[in-house]
Amino acid sequence: GENVEQHPSTLSVQEGDSAVIKCTYSDSASNYFPWYKQELGKRPQLIIDIRSNVGEKKDQRIAVTLNKTAKHFSLHITETQPEDSAVYFCAASPGRSYIPTFGRGTSLIVHP
Amino acid sequence: DADVTQTPRNRITKTGKRIMLECSQTKGHDRMYWYRQDPGLGLRLIYYSFDVKDINKGEISDGYSVSRQAQAKFSLSLESAIPNQTALYFCATSDHGADTQYFGPGTRLTVL
Repeated sequence: GENVEQHPSTLSVQEGDSAVIKCTYSDSASNYFPWYKQELGKRPQLIIDIRSNVGEKKDQRIAVTLNKTAKHFSLHITETQPEDSAVYFCAASPGRSYIPTFGRGTSLIVHP
Repeated sequence: DADVTQTPRNRITKTGKRIMLECSQTKGHDRMYWYRQDPGLGLRLIYYSFDVKDINKGEISDGYSVSRQAQAKFSLSLESAIPNQTALYFCATSDHGADTQYFGPGTRLTVL
């Protein structure tokens, strides 16, 4: 089955800095890669996703990049703000008939 | 997302007790899932159901059972709770043909 590794487990940055979270996956059949954000005490919510037919996707201050050859994808957050503090999960899925496999999560702390 | 609800939100029980966690959704989605979240271990899939007559084991189904009473309801049972089942449990839904999962608010279960 799919195996998703996520690094780092904890990331501490100063407000205004950039943050990068990296994930690798093992199943070359995976073609859908979502990122979920979980604020303290809240439920995970999708913030951005990417499919294997594109290499990069942006939404305001967040972006995701995908390298299918190397089987890794990354979340980039620019100009970080305290409200970006949360746990971020990556996931990989072979498609709509399959269940995503989640990484273990990254706790992002943005210091004012 | 208020369209996915879980009851109870918090539960403290004793070893050996039978516990049921309930999930309801008004999103009209066919697919429902139960996940367990432990610190540092991410979201691990317990069971999932693609429609009312479909039940599938996930990564960590031992010690758990489920019931899909209707399209909108998916319950998770712990027949005889043990302390290492202490965790945060999330229900999630997704639409047929779509990838995004929508999570409930979670149930924090403590087994003493």
